[in-house]
Parts: sequence; structure tokens; C-alpha cells
Amino acid sequence: GAVVSQHPSRVICKSGTSVKIECRSLDFQATTMFWYRQFPKKSLMLMATSNEGSKATYEQGVEKDKFLINHASLTLSTLTVTSAHPEDSSFYICSARDIMAAADTQYFGPGTRLTVL
Amino acid sequence: GENVEQHPSTLSVQEGDSAVIKCTYSDSASNYFPWYKQELGKGPQLIIDIRSNVGEKKDQRIAVTLNKTAKHFSLHITETQPEDSAVYFCAATPSNSNSGYALNFGKGTSLLVTP
Repeated sequence: GAVVSQHPSRVICKSGTSVKIECRSLDFQATTMFWYRQFPKKSLMLMATSNEGSKATYEQGVEKDKFLINHASLTLSTLTVTSAHPEDSSFYICSARDIMAAADTQYFGPGTRLTVL
Repeated sequence: GENVEQHPSTLSVQEGDSAVIKCTYSDSASNYFPWYKQELGKGPQLIIDIRSNVGEKKDQRIAVTLNKTAKHFSLHITETQPEDSAVYFCAATPSNSNSGYALNFGKGTSLLVTP
């Protein structure tokens, strides 16, 4: 149980295009999902907290118009990187809180490797 | 805000030996401390967690200890195997709605278990 999927697992795009990453909780409902960014050999950096049915809360320094987050259902959150540039290349990971489990327990997706040319 | 320090950054042990990773935290309100294992190119996997009402928790070869007074917690892996090789992250959170249940991560420990 507690499986989180991400799609795509890997994406390569040209500079200036937009990329959408999906995060799904497969066997549980998640009112809250988190989006992280991870640079090589570095720790996870929280970008934003996504709450179902409401606006996402962004961490300081993260541009909300650049990284659009939508959490339209209890099992799906999407992150759209708009007008991507090479500096947006990174490993993006989502996590989800199980509505039926302890509120603080988070399960992570497998990550999405974004490369912007 | 919460600041989590993790040591060592790299750890190399021989198969069968034990490995210990230590973390300290700054926010006395933190009360949930998970540990994650991340293999190359994959997302973090929750391997064990502890809450502030207990001092130690064990799951087969993995154990976590918590000292709330000193604000530190540790991961212990016994009888290490090559497949234990990965990056391990500790995290802490005040675990309340004000914090949004957001995790504060340590910088990670790269564990290498050599046969």
C-alpha cells in the first residue's frame, strides 16, 4: 500500500516550452501533496505544498507563476514548469499524505528527471 | 524554522558491520522524525519513523533512537548488506497543521557497504 506514482519519469524539452508533471496516489487519498526539487548529490528542497481544492502554498523564493500547481482531486496533483529554461533542469519529486494515516506520514513518488536543452 | 543537521555525509562499512547515522534538530516543537532511503535515480522510501512519545523503535535490522532532551536522533543498521548502499535522509517536523506537516530534511548520508 501507500504507492505514489509520477509521470513522466523522464522528460527532455526545449527551452521556452512548458512541461507538466503528474503525481498520483494510487491506493490512498491525499488531501495534501508536496513538491520537492533535488539537485545532484543534494538534499530535497521543498517547493510548495499542494492542498486539494485550494491554492498551493509556495516556499520563499519559488516563483508561483513559474511553477504552477493544481490539486484538483484527492489522488492527483500536477506541477507545470512554464517557459522552462536550462536552469530548471532538476529532479522533481512529489510526496503525499495519506488522509487515513497519521497526518505527518509522507510517501514519495519515484521522481521526474527534467532536462531543458 | 527547523534546522536539521546530519552526520556523517559519507559512510563506508564492510558487509556485516553496523552503520550509524546521526541527526540533530533545533526546533523543540518537532515531534515526528522519519528516515528515508534513496537509491540512485529514485524517490525516497520511508524506512522507519519515530514520534516523540517513544525513545526507540526497531524493525528487523533497522532501529531508530530519539533523545528529545538533547534534540538528536539516530539510525542504526545492523548486519549491513550491499543492498543497503544508498543515500539516507533524516527529517523532522513539528507535525501540526501550522507547519503544514512539511518535512525538514538533513543533507543526507551516502552509505556504501562493501562485500
